[in-house]
Amino acid sequence: GAGVSQSPSNKVTEKGKDVELRCDPISGHTALYWYRQSLGQGLEFLIYFQGNSAPDKSGLPSDRFSAERTGGSVSTLTIQRTQQEDSAVYLCASSFPPRTGTNNSPLHFGNGTRLTVT
Amino acid sequence: AQSVAQPEDQVNVAEGNPLTVKCTYSVSGNPYLFWYVQYPNRGLQFLLKYITGDNLVKGSYGFEAEFNKSQTSFHLKKPSALVSDSALYFCAVRDRYTGGFKTIFGAGTRLFVKA
Repeated sequence: GAGVSQSPSNKVTEKGKDVELRCDPISGHTALYWYRQSLGQGLEFLIYFQGNSAPDKSGLPSDRFSAERTGGSVSTLTIQRTQQEDSAVYLCASSFPPRTGTNNSPLHFGNGTRLTVT
Repeated sequence: AQSVAQPEDQVNVAEGNPLTVKCTYSVSGNPYLFWYVQYPNRGLQFLLKYITGDNLVKGSYGFEAEFNKSQTSFHLKKPSALVSDSALYFCAVRDRYTGGFKTIFGAGTRLFVKA
């Protein structure tokens, strides 16, 4: 079946420009995550959405970063006034809704968007 | 706050030898623990998870992991490494009692298996 889809796969932008990264999760998955993978930095948590609850934005590195999830499905991560240190691979993941009392479902990742800020 | 440590940036193993990739964690309560693998030019894939019960968890591709509560560790193991196991491995933790899905990953360990 269809997995998590991210677009674009590659994005090159000039410093100071805004970018939008898109994530289309697996149908029926209510949890959606954004992570950033920088060389040598591992996976940095950015934000996650769970159903209709307020998103957990605790990982967003600055107010230049924002994300929304429309209709409980597609999500967009926006980076305003991009800086060279924003260059990284941005990964989206989604997860099954929990059975009652459990939240141990694994994440399903997309292939990421490689962002290069010149 | 949740955190995960993978103390080794890189692990080198000869094909056929056993391998161990280390992971320690810190959460306020009892955790769910996960291992993921990232092969070159491919997305992250789920390998295995610890929920409860038996401390030895078996997963995909012959991998297993041992949960040790007293040492707060969840080391990934395989009895006999293959060259095709060469990849980037991530340990992850989720607090079972928050009711949410926030998942924190370690920095990753690159495994090289030599023929």
